Amino acid sequence: EDQVTQSPEALRLQEGESSSLNCSYTVSGLRGLFWYRQDPGKGPEFLFTLYSAGEEKEKERLKATLTKKESFLHITAPKPEDSATYLCAVQAADSWGKLQFGAGTQVVVTP
Amino acid sequence: EAQVTQNPRYLITVTGKKLTVTCSQNMNHEYMSWYRQDPGLGLRQIYYSMNVEVTDKGDVPEGYKVSRKEKRNFPLILESPSPNQTSLYFCASSLDRGDQPQHFGDGTRLSIL
Repeated sequence: EDQVTQSPEALRLQEGESSSLNCSYTVSGLRGLFWYRQDPGKGPEFLFTLYSAGEEKEKERLKATLTKKESFLHITAPKPEDSATYLCAVQAADSWGKLQFGAGTQVVVTP
Repeated sequence: EAQVTQNPRYLITVTGKKLTVTCSQNMNHEYMSWYRQDPGLGLRQIYYSMNVEVTDKGDVPEGYKVSRKEKRNFPLILESPSPNQTSLYFCASSLDRGDQPQHFGDGTRLSIL
């Protein structure tokens, strides 16, 4: 059975204190892995798609990486506006259209 | 402005009273999907649609119906709502196939008493 596990569940950071979020997955062949950001009271907002092991994507203070079993979202020198819940989702190669999400990591960045 | 619009945003209703949550997108996207979000469980896919008149079950389809008669609309129907369907619901769309970035609506909070 396909499974997506995110850790930690919650993360509290000081402004400027870099850290990483983990998304481990088990799927029968990966079509794509997605990272989303969700602010309170809002729908998830797309950040990155990763398709193959070794791939990396960057956007401002965020960098996503992918191996065959997990993905990391690195937050470098975070600011309070980076506070949000970060969601990871995977689509299996044999499941057109089906998307499986992890439970998310809630990140709080304090000044 | 590109957007996914859900209505209503909030609804409190009673067990057994049929309800429909509408979802509309203005991006001419082929793919649309419904999710529910519950604390500790994350987003779980209810139904998705790859194109007009094509719908498929996600991981938690029981108690829900959908239809896709037009490309832009994908309503979620609860024929006989029960308290365990109390949740936060999101509609999303993407260009095609679902392996493209999904655009989400702002959610519908349903409370079934």
